[in-house]
Amino acid sequence: GNSVTQMEGPVTLSEEAFLTINCTYTATGYPSLFWYVQYPGEGLQLLLKATKADDKGSNKGFEATYRKETTSFHLEKGSVQVSDSAVYFCALSGIGNYKLTFGKGTLLTVNP
Amino acid sequence: GAGVSQSPRYKVAKRGQDVALRCDPISGHVSLFWYQQALGQGPEFLTYFQNEAQLDKSGLPSDRFFAERPEGSVSTLKIQRTQQEDSAVYLCASSLFRGQSDGEQYFGPGTRLTVT
Repeated sequence: GNSVTQMEGPVTLSEEAFLTINCTYTATGYPSLFWYVQYPGEGLQLLLKATKADDKGSNKGFEATYRKETTSFHLEKGSVQVSDSAVYFCALSGIGNYKLTFGKGTLLTVNP
Repeated sequence: GAGVSQSPRYKVAKRGQDVALRCDPISGHVSLFWYQQALGQGPEFLTYFQNEAQLDKSGLPSDRFFAERPEGSVSTLKIQRTQQEDSAVYLCASSLFRGQSDGEQYFGPGTRLTVT
């Protein structure tokens, strides 16, 4: 079945540091890949997505590239802000399959 | 506009009690999903509705779990004879389209259920 493995946290960075959160997946075919973010006290929100190999999703300075050869979808941001402190979830949905399969989540704390 | 809302936000139940969790999706959204999120884990799929039809209930952990969406809008997740292992956050999500694999799901804030 489908599965997602993401870097375990927590991750603590200083403001303006570079962020990488690793995510790898197992799925048949070409799933759609997502990063969701959960800010304190709020519901999950879609951060970015990519639907085919080599696509790059981007939003709010975050980027992730769909790498079929390494089955990865690592999240990156060049310069994090305190307001980026949240839990980040990598997720996938299989072809013709609406269900999201999530990783365990990575807690990011950015200190001023 | 209003997002997905869920009620109650917190529920404490004694073992053996029945509970009902409500989800109000975004108006006009065709698809509705329920997920269960245990502490320190990612959400796990429970069930999926397209309008009023429950098309997939493969994630429901036991026959104590029951979900309905009778008019294709509000949905209720019912758990009978709650057990301690049912303690989790229950998330509802809705999506505008029918079962697209790349469609965005909009999540509610969740209901945190604690079974004592």
